[in-house]
Amino acid sequence: GNSVTQMEGPVTLSEEAFLTINCTYTATGYPSLFWYVQYPGEGLQLLLKATKADDKGSNKGFEATYRKETTSFHLEKGSVQVSDSAVYFCALSERGTSYGKLTFGQGTILTVHP
Amino acid sequence: NAGVTQTPKFQVLKTGQSMTLQCAQDMNHNSMYWYRQDPGMGLRLIYYSASEGTTDKGEVPNGYNVSRLNKREFSLRLESAAPSQTSVYFCASEGQIYEQYFGPGTRLTVT
Repeated sequence: GNSVTQMEGPVTLSEEAFLTINCTYTATGYPSLFWYVQYPGEGLQLLLKATKADDKGSNKGFEATYRKETTSFHLEKGSVQVSDSAVYFCALSERGTSYGKLTFGQGTILTVHP
Repeated sequence: NAGVTQTPKFQVLKTGQSMTLQCAQDMNHNSMYWYRQDPGMGLRLIYYSASEGTTDKGEVPNGYNVSRLNKREFSLRLESAAPSQTSVYFCASEGQIYEQYFGPGTRLTVT
């Protein structure tokens, strides 16, 4: 079946540091890939997406590129802020059925200090 | 535009009690989902509904039932709550390019 593996956290950074959160996936077909962010006490919010190989998703300074050859979708940001502290989930969507089941990674906790 | 709304936000039940979690979306989406989120387990799919009038089991359906009342509303029912059902429950609906939009969650404790 499909699976998503994220780098284990927690990740602790100083403000303005560079962020990378690794994500690799296993899928039988050609999934769409997503990053979601969850702030404390809230639901998940879609951060960015990519629907085919070599697509780059971007939003709020975050970027991730769909790499089919390495089955990866790593999240990056050049300069993190304290307000980026949250849990980040990588996910893939399986098509070819009547619904788009999301398979999630375990989540990576990011804490940014001033 | 409220997106996905859920009620209640918090609930405490005793073992054996029943309750229904409500979810509604105003984005005219066809597909809706119920997940539970537990520490160290990520999100797990309980049930989903691909369209009005249809529902199907996900990974962890035991102990739950669902109703897709109409296109907007998708409810989750616990018939006889157990401590293992203590969790945070999220409802989601699916957009045009398979992205999902989540509600704020219901934090349920079963004692």
